Amino acid sequence: GIQVEQSPPDLILQEGANSTLRCNFSDSVNNLQWFHQNPWGQLINLFYIPSGTKQNGRLSATTVATERYSLLYISSSQTTDSGVYFCAPRGDNQGGKLIFGQGTELSVKP
Amino acid sequence: EPEVTQTPSHQVTQMGQEVILRCVPISNHLYFYWYRQILGQKVEFLVSFYNNEISEKSEIFDDQFSVERPDGSNFTLKIRSTKLEDSAMYFCASSEAISGDYNEQFFGPGTRLTVL
Repeated sequence: GIQVEQSPPDLILQEGANSTLRCNFSDSVNNLQWFHQNPWGQLINLFYIPSGTKQNGRLSATTVATERYSLLYISSSQTTDSGVYFCAPRGDNQGGKLIFGQGTELSVKP
Repeated sequence: EPEVTQTPSHQVTQMGQEVILRCVPISNHLYFYWYRQILGQKVEFLVSFYNNEISEKSEIFDDQFSVERPDGSNFTLKIRSTKLEDSAMYFCASSEAISGDYNEQFFGPGTRLTVL
């Protein structure tokens, strides 16, 4: 099945800084979602982005499906951005399941 | 905005007991999923369900697990005889479709299961 690798595994930022989180995947995909897991454990949908670029406020994401990676940009980070960010692609011919990466744990310091 | 709901938010049980985790998917969605996350680890797929039958399951989803859509709104995960290693957060998700533009999966808030 599809392999998913996220980097970096951990990231510490000062409030106001920008960051880029990366997700590499091993096969072609027909779905890719980014989630933020908050301190209460809830998975918050950030982006549904099998290809192209989307923006939502301070966050944006880009998926280059032909090169098998996706990037999540966080600009002007805030302490509430802290948590774990997961990338979850779904491989072509892999049924409906999302395959989650190990996540990037982000800590934003005031 | 419609959302997936799950009950209970936290369940504590004794090893060997049966538990049923409940989910109400988004009303016009046709595909339903269960995932789990052991503390500190990544989220893992358990099972997908469509048209009243399992469409795919992982190796984790053994004979101790079952899923059911008992009525038009609920979707349940049953663990027949819980083990210590079943302690995890269990997420329900649903999607309108499985391909095309409507296959985004929406997740519920999770049920934290603790097996003692």
